[in-house]
Amino acid sequence: EVQLVQSGAEVKKPGEFLRISCKGSGYSFTSYWISWVRQMPGKGLEWMGSTYPSDSYTTYSPSFQGHVTISADKSISTAYLQWSSLKASDNAMYYCATFSAGSPFDYWGQGTLVTVSS
Amino acid sequence: EIVLTQSPGTLSLSPGERATLSCRASQSVISDYLAWYQQKPGQAPRLLIYGTSSRATGIPDRFSGSGSGTDFTLTISRLEPEDFAVYYCQQYRSSPPGFTFGPGTKVDIK
Repeated sequence: EVQLVQSGAEVKKPGEFLRISCKGSGYSFTSYWISWVRQMPGKGLEWMGSTYPSDSYTTYSPSFQGHVTISADKSISTAYLQWSSLKASDNAMYYCATFSAGSPFDYWGQGTLVTVSS
Repeated sequence: EIVLTQSPGTLSLSPGERATLSCRASQSVISDYLAWYQQKPGQAPRLLIYGTSSRATGIPDRFSGSGSGTDFTLTISRLEPEDFAVYYCQQYRSSPPGFTFGPGTKVDIK
């Protein structure tokens, strides 16, 4: 069974560093891309970027380029989304999801809620 | 960048009725790479339809997708109680990967 298990909810202050994770199991981690998707409170879905764990190739949505870093450690089948300096506007639910080339997101993690408040 | 527009914003229907949801793209969607997702409160989205009209694994046949070019439709033939949710369309491209979501249509109980 394919599973993506995300790290738990986080409460942080503006300016702090944060890295959240997404661990894949039940499939070949290096054969599929992983994306990160943001959902702000009461709002829709936004694609942030995607990484291919096999070679670490990463592509970002222009809206998120330079604001976050997406990476993966294939040795532990885990993908990451990190911020070097959080802002209040980063308050959101963040989902990871898998896909193969030319396909949409077929499996999703359960989501990680990030709360940024002073 | 392709922009997706969904209509209506909210659709109020009764169980057993037919739901027709629209997704319009600002330019032609290449290779009909158009997908639909369902999201219920407190849950992650679930893939319903990919490639415009192919149902994902385990999706009931009351869900169907159609369209081409810039106009796409998700139809739910007879609404079941569990179908009341928000539905998003998504355009995707292959190389490099890229994705755009529509703003969503909420299907609620009339």
